[in-house]
Amino acid sequence: AQSVTQPDIHITVSEGASLELRCNYSYGATPYLFWYVQSPGQGLQLLLKYFSGDTLVQGIKGFEAEFKRSQSSFNLRKPSVHWSDAAEYFCAVTDSGGYQKVTFGTGTKLQVIP
Amino acid sequence: NAGVTQTPKFRVLKTGQSMTLLCAQDMNHEYMYWYRQDPGMGLRLIHYSVGEGTTAKGEVPDGYNVSRLKKQNFLLGLESAAPSQTSVYFCAGRQPGPTGELFFGEGSRLTVL
Repeated sequence: AQSVTQPDIHITVSEGASLELRCNYSYGATPYLFWYVQSPGQGLQLLLKYFSGDTLVQGIKGFEAEFKRSQSSFNLRKPSVHWSDAAEYFCAVTDSGGYQKVTFGTGTKLQVIP
Repeated sequence: NAGVTQTPKFRVLKTGQSMTLLCAQDMNHEYMYWYRQDPGMGLRLIHYSVGEGTTAKGEVPDGYNVSRLKKQNFLLGLESAAPSQTSVYFCAGRQPGPTGELFFGEGSRLTVL
């Protein structure tokens, strides 16, 4: 079964600094990968997704992610973090067996300090 | 548009009690899901449905049952609640295919004493 691993449980960055959140996937063929964000007390919202083509994908709120097959990674980046980016971020992958299930990583909680 | 709506948003149960969480969507999603979220464990799939009248087990189905009698509704039941079921539950829906985006409800916080 497909899986994604987010090695960082918690990350703290200063406002205005750059951000990179790591996601590694376990999958033989081309995976269908997603990044979601969860603000406190809210449900999850899609930031971006990758399924083919350009390995650098752009999302909402100024986020981007790069798919690297050689490293089995799909890391999320933002050049300059804003205080409102403080949230929990989840990487996810669609199951290849009929594309019915979506599996999530354990999440990375982002703290932004002034 | 309401999107995906969960009720209730908060509930406290005693061990052994039963309850049902309701998820309603007006986005015509074919697929619907119930996840639970626990600290440090991300979202884990409980049950899901790929169409009206269908249900399937996810990663952590024990102690839960589901029904999808109508396309727009997906019910999650706890027949005999246990403290281990204290969690935040999220319903989500999406269209079929590998790239379909999940649309989430705002969550239901359940505490079992």
